Amino acid sequence: DADVTQTPRNRITKTGKRIMLECSQTKGHDRMYWYRQDPGLGLRLIYYSFDVKDINKGEISDGYSVSRQAQAKFSLSLESAIPNQTALYFCATSPQGPTFTDTQYFGPGTRLTVL
Amino acid sequence: GQQVMQIPQYQHVQEGEDFTTYCNSSTTLSNIQWYKQRPGGHPVFLIQLVKSGEVKKQKRLTFQFGEAKKNSSLHITATQTTDVGTYFCAGGLGKLIFGQGTELSVKP
Repeated sequence: DADVTQTPRNRITKTGKRIMLECSQTKGHDRMYWYRQDPGLGLRLIYYSFDVKDINKGEISDGYSVSRQAQAKFSLSLESAIPNQTALYFCATSPQGPTFTDTQYFGPGTRLTVL
Repeated sequence: GQQVMQIPQYQHVQEGEDFTTYCNSSTTLSNIQWYKQRPGGHPVFLIQLVKSGEVKKQKRLTFQFGEAKKNSSLHITATQTTDVGTYFCAGGLGKLIFGQGTELSVKP
């Protein structure tokens, strides 16, 4: 969905380096998410934010941190990258609703390789 | 932890054959969503089911939500090469939990 953008689209880095992945959206949604996709494991939630002052851990937050700089921007950082963090990372947004389970709109993804 | 299991992991079909992927949870789901991810692309929302026993259709795609709201299926009739991709279910278990996905390949 062109309304959700991610930068960079591809990144190769070395073990121990700090990496930041950025996500921006023009959908006007309050809720933003970071997922990680690995073959055979589906999509796993790393962190999520329901508004600018709200940050919550997902199921695999260890080794990651996030920053919600504005309603439209949500960044994911790897403080010290390790090879098993090599994966495809997706940012997603959803409109505010009564539950957590609203439709997710995904960005194009960032393919990260840690050597 | 809470899991949503999806089978099969891979399915290879001849164009024109039918395809089904199944999603199961050990606990009752509040809703189930289905997404499609084309090769090299990102997941795109297809549909959401909320009611027990609900059946919805989108052209050749039929989505079902089980009576106990613990399982769901996606059936594609007469597959086409445009159906290629990975299909994910996502169950509402307090939060949205994605299945592992079923990768569909279609041989012309």
